[in-house]
Amino acid sequence: KNEVEQSPQNLTAQEGEFITINCSYSVGISALHWLQQHPGGGIVSLFMLSSGKKKHGRLIATINIQEKHSSLHITASHPRDSAVYICAVHSGGGADGLTFGKGTHLIIQP
Amino acid sequence: DGGITQSPKYLFRKEGQNVTLSCEQNLNHDAMYWYRQDPGQGLRLIYYSQIVNDFQKGDIAEGYSVSREKKESFPLTVTSAQKNPTAFYLCASSIDPGLSQPQHFGDGTRLSIL
Repeated sequence: KNEVEQSPQNLTAQEGEFITINCSYSVGISALHWLQQHPGGGIVSLFMLSSGKKKHGRLIATINIQEKHSSLHITASHPRDSAVYICAVHSGGGADGLTFGKGTHLIIQP
Repeated sequence: DGGITQSPKYLFRKEGQNVTLSCEQNLNHDAMYWYRQDPGQGLRLIYYSQIVNDFQKGDIAEGYSVSREKKESFPLTVTSAQKNPTAFYLCASSIDPGLSQPQHFGDGTRLSIL
């Protein structure tokens, strides 16, 4: 079974800072997901990627398949970015859901 | 707007009681999933269903049951056999059972023991 590790567990930064959240996994995958969970608990899918890099607004996600590592970057961070960011992987071949990291709790202070 | 509706948002269970969590989607997705989230842990898969009238156990199915009589609905029953049911429960769906597309999530149900 894939092991998914995220770092850091908690991150507090000032508004405007560049944020990086890291995710490593142990076994080859077919896709990696970055998710955002707000304080109320609902989860939104930010990115799904299997290679390279994707950008959406101030969010950038990269993945290095050889190193089994992905990063989520937030440029010009804002207090509304405060949330838990979750990395999840799908090892492919089956329909048995995703394997999730424990999440990174991000707080952006004004 | 299409999406996933979970109800209720908060649920309380007495010892020895079964409770059912509702999950409805109007996205026309074939695959649906139930996850459990505990503090400090990643989401864990309870059950999943790729198609109507079919479902499979996930990693932590003991003490839970599901049904998939309609494409739109995938209710989860937490039985009295589940000794530690206090958790946050999330329902998800995907248009592709092989997960080549992102999962969509509901807003969750928080279950507590009285």
